[in-house]
Amino acid sequence: GAVVSQHPSRVICKSGTSVKIECRSLDFQATTMFWYRQFPKQSLMLMATSNEGSKATYEQGVEKDKFLINHASLTLSTLTVTSAHPEDSSFYICSARDGSTHTGELFFGEGSRLTVL
Amino acid sequence: GQNIDQPTEMTATEGAIVQINCTYQTSGFNGLFWYQQHAGEAPTFLSYNVLDGLEEKGRFSSFLSRSKGYSYLLLKELQMKDSASYLCAVMDSNYQLIWGAGTKLIIKP
Repeated sequence: GAVVSQHPSRVICKSGTSVKIECRSLDFQATTMFWYRQFPKQSLMLMATSNEGSKATYEQGVEKDKFLINHASLTLSTLTVTSAHPEDSSFYICSARDGSTHTGELFFGEGSRLTVL
Repeated sequence: GQNIDQPTEMTATEGAIVQINCTYQTSGFNGLFWYQQHAGEAPTFLSYNVLDGLEEKGRFSSFLSRSKGYSYLLLKELQMKDSASYLCAVMDSNYQLIWGAGTKLIIKP
């Protein structure tokens, strides 16, 4: 199946700093990528839909100025957590849909575990 | 509102069979997905159903009844490595995925 690569897998930062997470589709073009956040023992929560060449669509309750999303190419989307605080500590996962498959299956990156001290 | 229901936790014995149910109420339907997620890892795709009936893939099978808003994931010949959370997700009329909270499956020897 298609491959989505996410980097970094783990990051620890100080409160107030910004952290950038990259999501790449390695063998297909993804006009749309999705960013999720998952707290321990909870399901995935969609944060935003990243659209290549246009602004991201954020879910209700997600601060667009805090979680900056840039989808500059058909294979790369980035999520920047600005001025991170301990409550932003979570597992962030990106996914992309390979439009060439009939199932519309989502392929997930490996996830990035963010710890804010 | 849109809702996906699945049991929080299930326990089964190695070598046995387990069925994880999922019921849904969504605005429109464009398919139902099952994903497996091991602790600390990203979800991996297991199955996709858009028509009624049973889809079999090795030890795993998935069933869908659109009229009942119901699906189940059937795992046979359980192995210890099957211990994971199993997520049910439905694609609604806007092609957005609505996620269930997941079912944590515990396999005992």
